[in-house]
Amino acid sequence: DQQVKQNSPSLSVQEGRISILNCDYTNSMFDYFLWYKKYPAEGPTFLISISSIKDKNEDGRFTVFLNKSAKHLSLHIVPSQPGDSAVYFCAASKAAGNKLTFGGGTRVLVKP
Amino acid sequence: EAGVAQSPRYKIIEKRQSVAFWCNPISGHATLYWYQQILGQGPKLLIQFQNNGVVDDSQLPKDRFSAERLKGVDSTLKIQPAKLEDSAVYLCASSPDQISTDTQYFGPGTRLTVL
Repeated sequence: DQQVKQNSPSLSVQEGRISILNCDYTNSMFDYFLWYKKYPAEGPTFLISISSIKDKNEDGRFTVFLNKSAKHLSLHIVPSQPGDSAVYFCAASKAAGNKLTFGGGTRVLVKP
Repeated sequence: EAGVAQSPRYKIIEKRQSVAFWCNPISGHATLYWYQQILGQGPKLLIQFQNNGVVDDSQLPKDRFSAERLKGVDSTLKIQPAKLEDSAVYLCASSPDQISTDTQYFGPGTRLTVL
């Protein structure tokens, strides 16, 4: 039972353009969402988060949007840079500090 | 500040053998997590410690997996006996406390291959 899904396993984008990564969840009890970035042979690193009381959170080139009614969130990277090439995981929890449930990841390739 | 350390980085064993992984969290971090990441999937939490006590082990296959954090610092995860489906990357993470979900710092992982 996959409660957090990332339906696009991979994404290729040109440098300077926007990358949009999508994530869907099924558990309506989730109210805290996070994005992690993972390079090969390294552990995931925290990127950005959003609480269910917000619909948008921005941090530099990264913006996360949350649509609670659709149980959908997205990560926008603008502009995309070659160093953004990595696997991105969406994660959700029932409250900050609770167990994280991860999606399967989306591999992003930013072409120079 | 040193990150989360894990060893070994790679391990190849045959099914029915035993294996152990070690994790040293960031100094002062009270909460320690072990995750299993199967190829093509996201990390799945196996067990969470707060100091030397278990907070959540609901997804740990207790018939073959065990974990301990005896002094509330480093931790060991053991599989005995291993099955083919245990092939995965085992990630350790730590955070200052249970509330700081944003600040879960991950180690590089141990890649286990069971033949």
